[in-house]
Parts: sequence; structure tokens; C-alpha cells
Amino acid sequence: GEDVEQSLFLSVREGDSSVINCTYTDSSSTYLYWYKQEPGAGLQLLTYIFSNMDMKQDQRLTVLLNKKDKHLSLRIADTQTGDSAIYFCAESIAGGGFKTIFGAGTRLFVKA
Amino acid sequence: AAGVIQSPRHLIKEKRETATLKCYPIPRHDTVYWYQQGPGQDPQFLISFYEKMQSDKGSIPDRFSAQQFSDYHSELNMSSLELGDSALYFCASSSTVGNYNEQFFGPGTRLTVL
Repeated sequence: GEDVEQSLFLSVREGDSSVINCTYTDSSSTYLYWYKQEPGAGLQLLTYIFSNMDMKQDQRLTVLLNKKDKHLSLRIADTQTGDSAIYFCAESIAGGGFKTIFGAGTRLFVKA
Repeated sequence: AAGVIQSPRHLIKEKRETATLKCYPIPRHDTVYWYQQGPGQDPQFLISFYEKMQSDKGSIPDRFSAQQFSDYHSELNMSSLELGDSALYFCASSSTVGNYNEQFFGPGTRLTVL
């Protein structure tokens, strides 16, 4: 079945690293994504990783994928107060197109 | 760069009324997706279109219908609105040329049903 799970809350101090974890169930996922949503705003694609990769780094963001365990993580280095938002893990499922299945979102609180 | 455009941005309707949401994809994108995000919820896939044909269907109620037009814009029609339809509705687009898996999301339409 299609299911994406992630913890609901994470609190870190400014300057620390944040690690948001996610597990998914569909082994046919081709791409896995991290989206950021600020209050009342739309979805911002932060980064994505192809399922045959195990790591991707993009400036302060590092994505790690353990395909065997179906585990995805997002590490934000030097977390800033502007990083406070909800972070959605998502997977794309091939059907007629590539619909995206989202996790419930992790709310990141960054304390100054 | 042009992004996905959705209109209206906000919409207030009463129960049992109808609503039409519009989505204008990024130029040269041929695939459109609709998602519904209830308060405090994650976005749920509703329906998608490729080249004006429905390509996939998710948890879209029978009261809703959608279509993609020849200019690739899409409309989501919602009838007999219920209080539970209050949500943020996102449209996303992608292109079969290039990275098809990269969906670009619009800012959303916030629908409030009273």
C-alpha cells in the first residue's frame, strides 16, 4: 500500500542541525521528496532524490535514503529561525502519471 | 520564471453551492495534478490529467469533477459543497519532457464552506 510516515514535531536551537526522518512503504517509488510549507503558504519543493541514490547534498540540506529499510531523512545544517515550517516527506507513485503521496508533515520549531 | 497560477486565491461558499477552481500550469507543462489539504492535514491527491485526458484518480468525491483544456489549463468543479470541503486546494504541473517527476505546485486556493 501507499503510506508515508514521519514524526509530527521537532524542536532545535538556532545553529544546531535538524534531522527529520520519514519511512515509506511503496517499494516502487521512483522519487522521494522533501517539501517545506510555511503557515498559510503553498508547498515549496526543497529537494528530491532518485530511488537508486543513497545520498544527495544541496547547500545546507543533506538527504539520506536507505532503500532497504525504506527510510528517508533530511538534515538541515546550521538551522535558522527562518527554517521553522512544516516539512513534508513525499514519494511519487507511478500510475497514469506520477501522483505524489505525502506524509503527515513534521513541524520544525527553531528556538533562538 | 513563470510559476503555476491558481485562481481564485480565496473563495467563500455556502453549503450546497458550487465552486470552480482554476489552474494555469507552467508554460509547456502538459500534466496537471490536483491536491486537497484539509486543516492540519497533509495534501491528498485528487486527480491528474495528461494531454487533456485523465491520467490518474485518487480520493476525489463523486461531487467533484475536473478537466484539462486545450490550452492545458485545468478546472476543478465542486458541487453540493459540504463543510468538510473547506481546505486548501493545490494544483501542480509537470512536463513529460525533462524531469517528469518534478512537480511544481501553485500557491493554492483556500476554499471556505460556511
